[in-house]
Formats: sequence, structure tokens, C-alpha cells
Amino acid sequence: DAGVIQSPRHEVTEMGQEVTLRCKPISGHNSLFWYRQTMMRGLELLIYFNNNVPIDDSGMPEDRFSAKMPNASFSTLKIQPSEPRDSAVYFCASTLNSGNTIYFGEGSWLTVV
Amino acid sequence: GQNIDQPTEMTATEGAIVQINCTYQTSGFNGLFWYQQHAGEAPTFLSYNVLDGLEEKGRFSSFLSRSKGYSYLLLKELQMKDSASYLCAVRDPGSGYSTLTFGKGTMLLVSP
Repeated sequence: DAGVIQSPRHEVTEMGQEVTLRCKPISGHNSLFWYRQTMMRGLELLIYFNNNVPIDDSGMPEDRFSAKMPNASFSTLKIQPSEPRDSAVYFCASTLNSGNTIYFGEGSWLTVV
Repeated sequence: GQNIDQPTEMTATEGAIVQINCTYQTSGFNGLFWYQQHAGEAPTFLSYNVLDGLEEKGRFSSFLSRSKGYSYLLLKELQMKDSASYLCAVRDPGSGYSTLTFGKGTMLLVSP
């Protein structure tokens, strides 16, 4: 079975540039999550969607961050403009509403220089 | 909000037993999870407790005491491949959905 698929796996960009991270959840899952992981703060929930609708975006750091889920099989996380402090691993995860297990993608390693 | 504490790092020897503790203070509770994360990889699900007691799954066991806000992950017969970060996570029922809040993880180093 295909797991959660993220792209790109690695991205290095210059400060001020726009970054778009992409995610394809596991087929049939109706909840999708974006997490950010850093050494200092650990794994933090940024936003989650249920049935393509954003339910809670209180974890989104600031207006430079936005996320969309136009359909059940695709989501994007956009950072515009990017800053060095955005450097982190961004994980997408999905699950069923009633499921106990959240499945993570391999992550997108972002470096902003 | 949620506050989840676990040790930053631990070391153990191959073949030994190690216990990784997790304490939590939350406004609500609907389950505690343990995930394993190898360096450079995604977190993967290990175990889930919602009722008090011990859940055993092969070499790994997880314990929960809801009254004490406490859980531990027990790893037996340690192998080198068990060197990884172990993340404790609590599910918040307030939203009605399966969102998890994670601790910062315990880095376990298994030596020969």
C-alpha cells in the first residue's frame, strides 16, 4: 500500500522565496495534518483538515504560512516569504476519523539560507 | 493546553531492558501513543493506551496510569536497531478529532 507521499524531500531556498510543500494522504483517509519538527521545539501541529476542510489552524506560526486541501488526495503548505527560522522538517500525516494511528509521510527537509 | 515531558536522552546496552517515562498534564485526555523515529525518517506508530494498565506487543510494552498522568514504554532484549527517538503523544478529545500533541522525544542510544 502506498503511504503518505510528500514532495519535495529536500529543498534549499533563499530567504524571501516562496516555498510550496505537497502531500498526498493515504487513500480513504479523511483527516490530514501538517506538522513541523525542529530540535528545539520538537514535533508541532501546524494545521489539520477533516474532509478537506481546515478544522484548526491555530498552530500556523504567522500569516506567511498558508495551507490548502483542494481535494481528498492533495494538500499544500506554502511559506511566502520564507525566512531562515522556517528551516525544519515538515511532515504530513493522515488518518481516518475513528482511527487510532496517524501515518506520517517521509517529510520535507527545508533549509532557508 | 497540553504539557508532555520525557527525558531528552537515554543510553542502554544491547540485550538489556530500558524504560522510557512520559508524564503529561492536559485539560482532556483520550489516549496516549508512542511513536518511534529513526534519524532522518518519519515517526512510526508503536503503541496506544486509553485505559490504565499494560499493553504488550512483542519486545515492546506500554503502560498507562491516567490518575497519575504517567506512561512508560518498556523495551526488552534491546537491539542496535532500537537506537532511535521515542515520542510520547497525547490525543486531545476537545476538538472531537484525532489530533495528537507530541513530547519532544527521548533519544535512545543502544551500545554493543
